[in-house]
Amino acid sequence: SSELTQDPAVSVALGQTVRITCQGDSLRRYSASWYQQKPGQAPTFVIYGENNRPSGIPDRFSGSSSGNTASLSITGVQAEDEADYYCNSRDSSGREWVFGGGTKLTVL
Amino acid sequence: QLQLQESGPGLLKPSETLTLTCTVSGGSISSTGHYWGWIRQPPGKGLEWIGNAYYRGSTNYSPSLKSRVTISVDTSKSQFSLKLSSVTAADTAVYYCARISQEDTAMVFDPWGQGTLVTVSS
Repeated sequence: SSELTQDPAVSVALGQTVRITCQGDSLRRYSASWYQQKPGQAPTFVIYGENNRPSGIPDRFSGSSSGNTASLSITGVQAEDEADYYCNSRDSSGREWVFGGGTKLTVL
Repeated sequence: QLQLQESGPGLLKPSETLTLTCTVSGGSISSTGHYWGWIRQPPGKGLEWIGNAYYRGSTNYSPSLKSRVTISVDTSKSQFSLKLSSVTAADTAVYYCARISQEDTAMVFDPWGQGTLVTVSS
């Protein structure tokens, strides 16, 4: 089982805002990074920490953290945002890395 | 633009050793501050970090796979490889390679290779 816990599925209406969460003790010390994976494709890096996005990722994607929870928010969700989202951070020992179980985002 | 490409056999028998290679182009595999890692994804399931290596030779492996995994970097070929011994059906997955960078206290996996499906079956 993963040391980072994500809700398996989340749905959101087109144009609304959604928050995808990632919980784990290690998040009190380490920041999370987030990845988007569409069917049949490799994951792509979306954001780390609060607002550290690679070029090409729209600013409707933002990150935040509080206590043992890291969050990825998408403001004004678009149809193309429908995908699986994974968080990553250190494990509780701080020596290894672990992915969350993933959240399937459905855009209604 | 840095690109990664996995290669290797797609079908193995139980107890064999899986060997995959990731070829790095568009950048240096010897760049400081970057690790080179492997991640896998069983069909219909989530991502699992396997391990990573630094070009100078240091490695770090997932505890659950540590006894069977070796990752190494060949700077002369701009490649890094994954060896996983004694495979079983549970090792059937898409295997991805990625560059890993430390950004503040986060680890960033970017870019990723396209992935290669490895099936273990008798």
